[in-house]
Amino acid sequence: DAKTTQPPSMDCAEGRAANLPCNHSTISGNEYVYWYRQIHSQGPQYIIHGLKNNETNEMASLIITEDRKSSTLILPHATLRDTAVYYCIVRDQNQGGKLIFGQGTELSVKP
Amino acid sequence: EPEVTQTPSHQVTQMGQEVILRCVPISNHLYFYWYRQILGQKVEFLVSFYNNEISEKSEIFDDQFSVERPDGSNFTLKIRSTKLEDSAMYFCASSERFSSGNTIYFGEGSWLTVV
Repeated sequence: DAKTTQPPSMDCAEGRAANLPCNHSTISGNEYVYWYRQIHSQGPQYIIHGLKNNETNEMASLIITEDRKSSTLILPHATLRDTAVYYCIVRDQNQGGKLIFGQGTELSVKP
Repeated sequence: EPEVTQTPSHQVTQMGQEVILRCVPISNHLYFYWYRQILGQKVEFLVSFYNNEISEKSEIFDDQFSVERPDGSNFTLKIRSTKLEDSAMYFCASSERFSSGNTIYFGEGSWLTVV
């Protein structure tokens, strides 16, 4: 089962920041938090990942709380093309380090 | 940017037929995965593969499924005798190393329809 909890859906106005929350209260000390998104039925697209520190790349920022029990993905200036299902995933440390997908958050960016 | 490529993008097959889905992982990657997504449902892990062996498989990955790396570039998923419930999008993925901090990249998927 997925180790994360996300709201099923969110709306965001185009051009505004989208802040997607995720709870992962049972995360272990050396497990990373990953964010992927899926547009329609395309392959999951990697966005960003982090362990303890906040991370930023060209797509998004990841804010991880000090106790690591929750995180927030920030899309700084959402566009209509950011409409997708966003998955927060704690990466399994066991054999092969597979990703276990939950239901994710369906983000709708509206004009 | 390197990417995982999958063929075919869409295949329709008769129930009971064998199907092979093909994947070319990113060239320097060593760990390979197959996932599937039934329409309207979540992405499910099937199998992971490293050093020509299955590392882990899920309950879905029963005896009708097999994986193979027939040469240095391809990674295949074979379904021996397809069932209607095998209709799904199948995603191949790869990563460079095993560790939790190493990113897994996905292909665009092969849509399998069993009729």
